Amino acid sequence: GAVVSQHPSRVICKSGTSVKIECRSLDFQATTMFWYRQFPKQSLMLMATSNEGSKATYEQGVEKDKFLINHASLTLSTLTVTSAHPEDSSFYICSARSDISEAFFGQGTRLTVV
Amino acid sequence: GESVGLHLPTLSVQEGDNSIINCAYSNSASDYFIWYKQESGKGPQFIIDIRSNMDKRQGQRVTVLLNKTVKHLSLQIAATQPGDSAVYFCAETSSGTYKYIFGTGTRLKVLA
Repeated sequence: GAVVSQHPSRVICKSGTSVKIECRSLDFQATTMFWYRQFPKQSLMLMATSNEGSKATYEQGVEKDKFLINHASLTLSTLTVTSAHPEDSSFYICSARSDISEAFFGQGTRLTVV
Repeated sequence: GESVGLHLPTLSVQEGDNSIINCAYSNSASDYFIWYKQESGKGPQFIIDIRSNMDKRQGQRVTVLLNKTVKHLSLQIAATQPGDSAVYFCAETSSGTYKYIFGTGTRLKVLA
């Protein structure tokens, strides 16, 4: 299957700082990327959908100024958690798909805000 | 909207037995369904999928059953092995959007 790579896999940051998570499609062009958040022992919650070259579409209740998403190329989308606080600590997962494929998931990023 | 569980139900099975994991999906317009396996600290791993024009699909040791009448999906794992221990999620979507909505998940524990 297609490969989606997320970086970093783990990150610890101080409260008030911003953190950027990258999601790359390694062997296909991702016209659409999705960002999910997962709390411990819970399911994946869709945060936003981004199409290459367009603004992201955020799900209800997700603060777009808090979670900045950029999908500037067909192989890269970034999620920036701005002014992070401990409650933003979570597992963030991206997925990517081309026009003709289903979505493939990255390995996730564990964010810990201290 | 998204499905977020407060806790994960657990299914414990003896090694070598068959496992059946169930899922109720929410949107009658969904036409594509996927089962994922998630190990601790990792992203979801594709297991098997099924489209709404089918009611059964078989893979290697796994079978997915779809009952559109009652909006129910199940994953059957034959001869369950210790390596099958993980959390299993069903996901639904429509082929027009591919925006996946995940179920609450089930933790599978394989007992030696």
